[in-house]
Amino acid sequence: DAGVIQSPRHEVTEMGQEVTLRCKPISGHDYLFWYRQTMMRGLELLIYFNNNVPIDDSGMPEDRFSAKMPNASFSTLKIQPSEPRDSAVYFCASSRNRDYEQYFGPGTRLTVT
Amino acid sequence: KNQVEQSPQSLIILEGKNCTLQCNYTVSPFSNLRWYKQDTGRGPVSLTIMTFSENTKSNGRYTATLDADTKQSSLHITASQLSDSASYICVVSDGTGANNLFFGTGTRLTVIP
Repeated sequence: DAGVIQSPRHEVTEMGQEVTLRCKPISGHDYLFWYRQTMMRGLELLIYFNNNVPIDDSGMPEDRFSAKMPNASFSTLKIQPSEPRDSAVYFCASSRNRDYEQYFGPGTRLTVT
Repeated sequence: KNQVEQSPQSLIILEGKNCTLQCNYTVSPFSNLRWYKQDTGRGPVSLTIMTFSENTKSNGRYTATLDADTKQSSLHITASQLSDSASYICVVSDGTGANNLFFGTGTRLTVIP
């Protein structure tokens, strides 16, 4: 298996633009997680899905953030409109079970100018 | 308040030397504790996962210990290599949901020749 795949790897956009981050989890994993990592706050869980259903989005910072998982092999994290403080590395991770080991993707480095 | 604190914040050691990283937590209830290694520009990779009943677990040159009574964990790296240079993140789960993961801010280890 290729592992968790994320795209793009880098995204630079201007404030106010819409940004869409993509993730393909490992096949057979029922859980998918979106994280944000910054120097100041470290890793933060934004939202997670179980069998394509959003279970908890309490970590999503604002209504400008939304996430979807239309099928077992694809998820998106969208920011609209983007702001400079959204600049961070966004990771997607997947796991077989809620408490099992999570496998992280390579991350998307987002820069909002 | 559920917290995970790691020390030191950063560490520089000579290649071949041993080192120990610390993780103290106040998370309750406790389900499991995980150590992740994160190389620069990459996603975190799981090193060990320990439950309440486990007090030590090894993964090659990495050995994690857990004292659930004092709520402390350590990650010992033996005979360090240049490739051990990375951030090491301690994550504690309270077992009540995948969203209830508490992250340390990490220890940045640099191994120099």
